[in-house]
Amino acid sequence: QVQLVQSGAEVKKPGASVKVSCRASGYTFTDYYVHWVRQAPGQGLEWMGWINPQTGVTKYAEKFQGTVTVTRDTSISTAYMELRSDDTVVYYCMRGSPVVPPYYYYMDVWGKGTTVTVSS
Amino acid sequence: SYVLTQPPSVSVAPGQTARITCGGNNLGSKSVHWYQQKPGQGPVLVVYDDRDRPSGIPERLSGSKSGNTATLTISRVEAGDEADYYCQVWDSSSDHYVFGIGTKVTVL
Repeated sequence: QVQLVQSGAEVKKPGASVKVSCRASGYTFTDYYVHWVRQAPGQGLEWMGWINPQTGVTKYAEKFQGTVTVTRDTSISTAYMELRSDDTVVYYCMRGSPVVPPYYYYMDVWGKGTTVTVSS
Repeated sequence: SYVLTQPPSVSVAPGQTARITCGGNNLGSKSVHWYQQKPGQGPVLVVYDDRDRPSGIPERLSGSKSGNTATLTISRVEAGDEADYYCQVWDSSSDHYVFGIGTKVTVL
């Protein structure tokens, strides 16, 4: 069964960074891009960026350049997103296109989300 | 940056048809994908490449596109269809993925 399992909810203080993990199972982790999307309470979906797990190459939305870092550990089929943000939001990781052609541009498997709460 | 336009809300009676639109500049040249997000849950892909359905998605949900407007149609609406629906495209000029603001479908 193809799935992405995300780390549990986090509470962080303003100004602190947080690292969210996303472990893939049921498929070859390095064969597909992994994307990250965030959703503020009552708001829509906002694409943040992707990582090519095979090469480690990343792409970020302009809004998140400099505040988000996506990495991966292929030995445990896990992608990570580290960010400095003072927003309370839910972060989702998703499986995207294969890393080799033919490419597609949708996300077919989603994690259940990780809630990051900012509180002093 | 590329913008997708969706109506904030659509209301429909059970058994009727709901149509959710998604508009964008030059949308006809892009592939449009749709996600369903039920309250308290993560999104689920329901239509990809304008009109294709992943396995397990009922035929009552269908996608279409005409010109610069894509439409997600939900036929014979059920209470369980109450959710937020998002359209999404890939903008090749920026190599960014873009979501619409989402449409809340309310079953009366």
